[in-house]
Amino acid sequence: KAGVTQTPRYLIKTRGQQVTLSCSPISGHRSVSWYQQTPGQGLQFLFEYFSETQRNKGNFPGRFSGRQFSNSRSEMNVSTLELGDSALYLCASSRTGLGYTFGSGTRLTVV
Amino acid sequence: KQEVTQIPAALSVPEGENLVLNCSFTDSAIYNLQWFRQDPGKGLTSLLLIQSSQREQTSGRLNASLDKSSGRSTLYIAASQPGDSATYLCAVYPEGGTSYGKLTFGQGTILTVHP
Repeated sequence: KAGVTQTPRYLIKTRGQQVTLSCSPISGHRSVSWYQQTPGQGLQFLFEYFSETQRNKGNFPGRFSGRQFSNSRSEMNVSTLELGDSALYLCASSRTGLGYTFGSGTRLTVV
Repeated sequence: KQEVTQIPAALSVPEGENLVLNCSFTDSAIYNLQWFRQDPGKGLTSLLLIQSSQREQTSGRLNASLDKSSGRSTLYIAASQPGDSATYLCAVYPEGGTSYGKLTFGQGTILTVHP
């Protein structure tokens, strides 16, 4: 079966711009979570969506937002990009919330 | 606040060795624990998921154990191979049966297996 698909794989953006990342979960998985991974901070939880509702949110500024569509696909948006937003953004999906499968990630570079 | 620590931070071994990676967590009130591997620049691949009622899981050359009372999990890799070289991460699920997506990860152990 198809895994978690994240697009695009790589992005280069300029400070001040905004960016949208996409995540398609495994078929039948309704919970989608997003994480930011950096060398200094490791993996940090951004937010989780289930049935188009945000159920949980990490400690990130309001520039980071997300949404989930009726087909469970999810997008995250970062506005007014900063250099520190450069990271690998990972999406994970789960059917029950008791075991997560991760995608390959989107590498965002802000210049 | 849950904190997860992985020891050692890095490990270099010759091919064929058996090895143990450690994961400890400060709050023993966890539900599940999951081990992942991550290759450079890639996503996370799930290795083993130890569910709430379990104390151990095995898959091929991998065996993971969980002792909630002591706040520890170990990942045992038998007969290591160069292809095992990667970063190994453990993640804990908060108690309650539903994590709402929020797993707490350790910083990982970077494993290098040389021929």
